[in-house]
Amino acid sequence: EAQVTQNPRYLITVTGKKLTVTCSQNMNHEYMSWYRQDPGLGLRQIYYSMNVEVTDKGDVPEGYKVSRKEKRNFPLILESPSPNQTSLYFCASAQAGAGNEQFFGPGTRLTVL
Amino acid sequence: QKEVEQDPGPLSVPEGAIVSLNCTYSNSAFQYFMWYRQYSRKGPELLMYTYSSGNKEDGRFTAQVDKSSKYISLFIRDSQPSDSATYLCAITDTGFQKLVFGTGTRLLVSP
Repeated sequence: EAQVTQNPRYLITVTGKKLTVTCSQNMNHEYMSWYRQDPGLGLRQIYYSMNVEVTDKGDVPEGYKVSRKEKRNFPLILESPSPNQTSLYFCASAQAGAGNEQFFGPGTRLTVL
Repeated sequence: QKEVEQDPGPLSVPEGAIVSLNCTYSNSAFQYFMWYRQYSRKGPELLMYTYSSGNKEDGRFTAQVDKSSKYISLFIRDSQPSDSATYLCAITDTGFQKLVFGTGTRLLVSP
């Protein structure tokens, strides 16, 4: 089954404790992206990657890191999480090309205390 | 001013009603217009995709784009309880990698 998977689905952590949210896709997509979704603000792009070893900032990259060492994986790293990073996070992937559908993962709900 | 504006709702309608969901946008360079549907506790999934102005129909769903007014709409005919979800508009210029999303409209269809 073609899908985007994220782990963990739920995470409660404390300020300053480094964490990684994994994202993997099995559709051989070149493009992958991370979003956060907050009430009243909608989906905002954090980082995206056009291919292996190619990453770029989205609209809200502060406090996040990403890497793209393999085509299928695109982990999101929070080196020192803060409470304002409490949010619902989505990973997405797509084939390269204008207007192509982005396939979203199931989401990771992160709470930073 | 936000690039994309969308009424958050909730919008409550009875089963069988015609639903109209709308977004306005500010950047005239936008050319690709999409509607995503998001069920509770799920990721968004693409519902409709339109390039430039005009209408596109898919079953009970019709997407409409008016570039002169910078206004896009999604119409749902014969709405069903299973249509209850949040609907997000998403817009981009030529780069699929830079989608700009609306905040989403929550739709509730009661039996």
